[in-house]
Amino acid sequence: DGGITQSPKYLFRKEGQNVTLSCEQNLNHDAMYWYRQDPGQGLRLIYYSQIVNDFQKGDIAEGYSVSREKKESFPLTVTSAQKNPTAFYLCASSIRASGGPLGEQFFGPGTRLTVL
Amino acid sequence: DAKTTQPNSMESNEEEPVHLPCNHSTISGTDYIHWYRQLPSQGPEYVIHGLTSNVNNRMASLAIAEDRKSSTLILHRATLRDAAVYYCILRDDNNAGNMLTFGGGTRLMVKP
Repeated sequence: DGGITQSPKYLFRKEGQNVTLSCEQNLNHDAMYWYRQDPGQGLRLIYYSQIVNDFQKGDIAEGYSVSREKKESFPLTVTSAQKNPTAFYLCASSIRASGGPLGEQFFGPGTRLTVL
Repeated sequence: DAKTTQPNSMESNEEEPVHLPCNHSTISGTDYIHWYRQLPSQGPEYVIHGLTSNVNNRMASLAIAEDRKSSTLILHRATLRDAAVYYCILRDDNNAGNMLTFGGGTRLMVKP
């Protein structure tokens, strides 16, 4: 089945460590996104990528980094510079990000990151 | 993107219709109205979207006011599985990046 996978589902990290969250899609979508969700809140955009080897900062990019070396993969690194990293992280993809009907965003199941 | 206003929470009885309102008084001519929902501990899923005309799909109906300053998501027969947070989102097709701006949404509780 086509879809988006995120791993791991739960992740624990010690303060001061970098950690990388995985996001893979087999939908052949050009655009991919990372969101952060805090308890009881809506989603906030961290980074997005419209095409391979390209990405742009979202509203809350500080303390995060991404790469887009392959169309199907968009990993997110939470660095030690992120002051409050404990949150639910969601990855999404869509057919395209501009230049025509944009289509819906498909979301993965999320990774719940806890900093100890 | 223009802002939307939704009630924080609503309750419904199982098997009854549910009308979830959304106000977007500053909507622009190129803004589409999108609805997503998020079940507990899951990622959001697309429900429906529209521009000017009312829309129907297998999940729900979307009724858009004539002046487009408000819309209503209609679930025709609520089930327990419809308990979720429903987000009303405006997206400008001129917005490079296809970004969705999520507000707080409406938490729908369905009583058996």
